[in-house]
Amino acid sequence: EPEVTQTPSHQVTQMGQEVILRCVPISNHLYFYWYRQILGQKVEFLVSFYNNEISEKSEIFDDQFSVERPDGSNFTLKIRSTKLEDSAMYFCASTMDREQPQHFGDGTRLSIL
Amino acid sequence: RKEVEQDPGPFNVPEGATVAFNCTYSNSASQSFFWYRQDCRKEPKLLMSVYSSGNEDGRFTAQLNRASQYISLLIRDSKLSDSATYLCVVSGAGSYQLTFGKGTKLSVIP
Repeated sequence: EPEVTQTPSHQVTQMGQEVILRCVPISNHLYFYWYRQILGQKVEFLVSFYNNEISEKSEIFDDQFSVERPDGSNFTLKIRSTKLEDSAMYFCASTMDREQPQHFGDGTRLSIL
Repeated sequence: RKEVEQDPGPFNVPEGATVAFNCTYSNSASQSFFWYRQDCRKEPKLLMSVYSSGNEDGRFTAQLNRASQYISLLIRDSKLSDSATYLCVVSGAGSYQLTFGKGTKLSVIP
């Protein structure tokens, strides 16, 4: 069964540093998403992306965040200047049709020191 | 204001038991409803979509009551492998982002 893959599985970064999280969505999917989950809390929506542009973004997705689809397969989330409160699991998701359920990657654990 | 609210849990049940999870959502314009399961420190995995007429998948039955803005999940004949956190998830109302409940933890005990 096709999967969404994410790298790295764990990223440790100093506060203030830039970090890029990578995702390879399922190959025929057209809609891409990033979510985060702070330890012990619920999964929260960050941003959705379709046709090479952002469709929706949450209040969490401020100017420190950006997304990009640099080629036909990768979908990246960049945090420009990380803060301690950015520590969380970050999940990428994709779907072929936005009415259909989203399929999640196994996440990147981001730890900010 | 909690957009998706679930039973706090945890639920500890013996193998073979039937267990029910409840969920309410605040946005009456929501259009799509799902149950996901999440194992500890893993990604959410789709368990089933929830349709207005109710739907069943093996031991799992989901119900939706739009008038009450209420969703339920019933698990029959619980297995040890059902131990996980069950997430009630809603989308729609002009948006396709998923809104998650905090989840209800289930532990099935031998």
